[in-house]
Amino acid sequence: ETGVTQTPRHLVMGMTNKKSLKCEQHLGHNAMYWYKQSAKKPLELMFVYNFKEQTENNSVPSRFSPECPNSSHLFLHLHTLQPEDSALYLCASSQAVRAGIYGYTFGSGTRLTVV
Amino acid sequence: QKEVEQDPGPLSVPEGAIVSLNCTYSNSAFQYFMWYRQYSRKGPELLMYTYSSGNKEDGRFTAQVDKSSKYISLFIRDSQPSDSATYLCAMTFSGGYNKLIFGAGTRLAVHP
Repeated sequence: ETGVTQTPRHLVMGMTNKKSLKCEQHLGHNAMYWYKQSAKKPLELMFVYNFKEQTENNSVPSRFSPECPNSSHLFLHLHTLQPEDSALYLCASSQAVRAGIYGYTFGSGTRLTVV
Repeated sequence: QKEVEQDPGPLSVPEGAIVSLNCTYSNSAFQYFMWYRQYSRKGPELLMYTYSSGNKEDGRFTAQVDKSSKYISLFIRDSQPSDSATYLCAMTFSGGYNKLIFGAGTRLAVHP
């Protein structure tokens, strides 16, 4: 499989549940990102990993916990979420230094609904 | 003030129309400018990018950057129903430290 793959595609969870989102890239990229996309809002950068090291946490609540075991895999662990966390969560990857030239490759996202 | 402003639309046009999509930005240090297209239930895909000011053409698409006005545009000629999607502008600094700044996206509908 090529590109950036995200699983699951859809997730419905209660506020007391714990779940994880998974992202895998087959592009040989060294940087990976989590974004939140809500209706009519710009993409919100959540976390950046560069060569497996977290380089940015954009003031994300602790109920979101990222994990990057290697340059190809990225997880977002979720617990005690709120209904306002319902959104499309996008994973992306890029060459670490040259994102500005080549941009990001995005996965198809996980549509999360918190009930 | 947001770093990147983009009208979310929706924009509805008839097939064959010329479409103009625009973004304004506040940070004069931005030098790389991109347009992403996002179909429903999909992630954004890179459509075009330009460096600094000027025009770039690719088939029916033309990207234009005016750094003096801090304004970028994407033109779609002979629009098709398959162009119906959300278009997001994005930009970053020279050297591109890992971080693209996105607009909110404009939803475009091209009807037959």
